[in-house]
Amino acid sequence: QKEVEQNSGPLSVPEGAIASLNCTYSDRGSQSFFWYRQYSGKSPELIMFIYSNGDKEDGRFTAQLNKASQYVSLLIRDSQPSDSATYLCAVKESSGYALNFGKGTSLLVTP
Amino acid sequence: EAGVAQSPRYKIIEKRQSVAFWCNPISGHATLYWYQQILGQGPKLLIQFQNNGVVDDSQLPKDRFSAERLKGVDSTLKIQPAKLEDSAVYLCASSLAFRGLPDTQYFGPGTRLTVL
Repeated sequence: QKEVEQNSGPLSVPEGAIASLNCTYSDRGSQSFFWYRQYSGKSPELIMFIYSNGDKEDGRFTAQLNKASQYVSLLIRDSQPSDSATYLCAVKESSGYALNFGKGTSLLVTP
Repeated sequence: EAGVAQSPRYKIIEKRQSVAFWCNPISGHATLYWYQQILGQGPKLLIQFQNNGVVDDSQLPKDRFSAERLKGVDSTLKIQPAKLEDSAVYLCASSLAFRGLPDTQYFGPGTRLTVL
């Protein structure tokens, strides 16, 4: 079973700060990486994906990928209370289409 | 564009009973996935269909779970008989499934199953 590891948190940051969420994975051949946000009682919704080493920015969100270290992260700038949710890291298996999810990191943004 | 539809949204049953969930994917999406999400965990893939064929069902407990996708569109997931540990949210997702590009999966609202 290919592993995707995330700190469960909760990660607490004050409003306006940068939240940093981290994820490591075991499948060295994986090429595509996804961050989903899941509010309590809701289904996961895609924030962004990344498949090249380096940074990818989309509004207040930046995904960072380092395939050599098998590490992917998500930065949320100017965090808002509405960003409070669980953030799921998902890694597409090298052998097909399946996504392996981490357990998620709970983020709490305090006003 | 309509999203992934699932029904029912909630289901409560007693152990050893049977239950079925329905999913209608986004129009044109060839690949359909069923995930099980236990409280506090990430989604775990149960089965993946490409059109109406099974691509991966390695984590499906086949002694009690079954799934089908007739005509390559709608899908049903059945549990018979249910156990207490089946209490979870069952998520359906769909994607276009292009091998060459990141293949985004879109999730339905899920069905919350409680087994008593």
